[in-house]
Amino acid sequence: EAGVTQFPSHSVIEKGQTVTLRCDPISGHDNLYWYRRVMGKEIKFLLHFVKESKQDESGMPNNRFLAERTGGTYSTLKVQPAELEDSGVYFCASSPYRGQTYEQYFGPGTRLTVT
Amino acid sequence: ILNVEQSPQSLHVQEGDSTNFTCSFPSSNFYALHWYRWETAKSPEALFVMTLNGDEKKKGRISATLNTKEGYSYLYIKGSQPEDSATYLCAFKSTDKLIFGTGTRLQVFP
Repeated sequence: EAGVTQFPSHSVIEKGQTVTLRCDPISGHDNLYWYRRVMGKEIKFLLHFVKESKQDESGMPNNRFLAERTGGTYSTLKVQPAELEDSGVYFCASSPYRGQTYEQYFGPGTRLTVT
Repeated sequence: ILNVEQSPQSLHVQEGDSTNFTCSFPSSNFYALHWYRWETAKSPEALFVMTLNGDEKKKGRISATLNTKEGYSYLYIKGSQPEDSATYLCAFKSTDKLIFGTGTRLQVFP
């Protein structure tokens, strides 16, 4: 079974540009999460999809970030315009169900560098 | 604000040493506690999902305990090997989202 995949693995852009990150969850997983790790800090929650609906977007930093999951399969996270403080590793995770005992399966992350 | 603390921040041990790390989390409204092992540029790998006070889980040389009343979990590695070198993350599950600590970076020298 293929794991969670993310594309690209690394992106370097200039301040003010736009970047779109993609996440393909494990097939059949309705729950998809985005997290971000800024250098030296903890991994922080951004948002949670259940199928195509945003269940919780309380962690989204501001309106420069737009996440979509059309059709309930893969998801994209767009940053427009990018700022220096957006640099970090963006992780995607998926889970088949919600609930106490279910683990979240993580992708390898996209390392975003804004210069 | 829910806060998860991990200690130590980093650890250097010799091959064969046993080691342990601590994760502290809010003791109220406990839902679940996750441990992950993470090597840079790879996917964080789930080690344990712990839900019950007094839980003890084991996977090979790695084990974990949970105390929800006082809000801490310990991760133990017995007989550390160089391939155990990684960052060990704990995460408190609040409804569906995970709240992570900053991790403990373990380096095992041969």
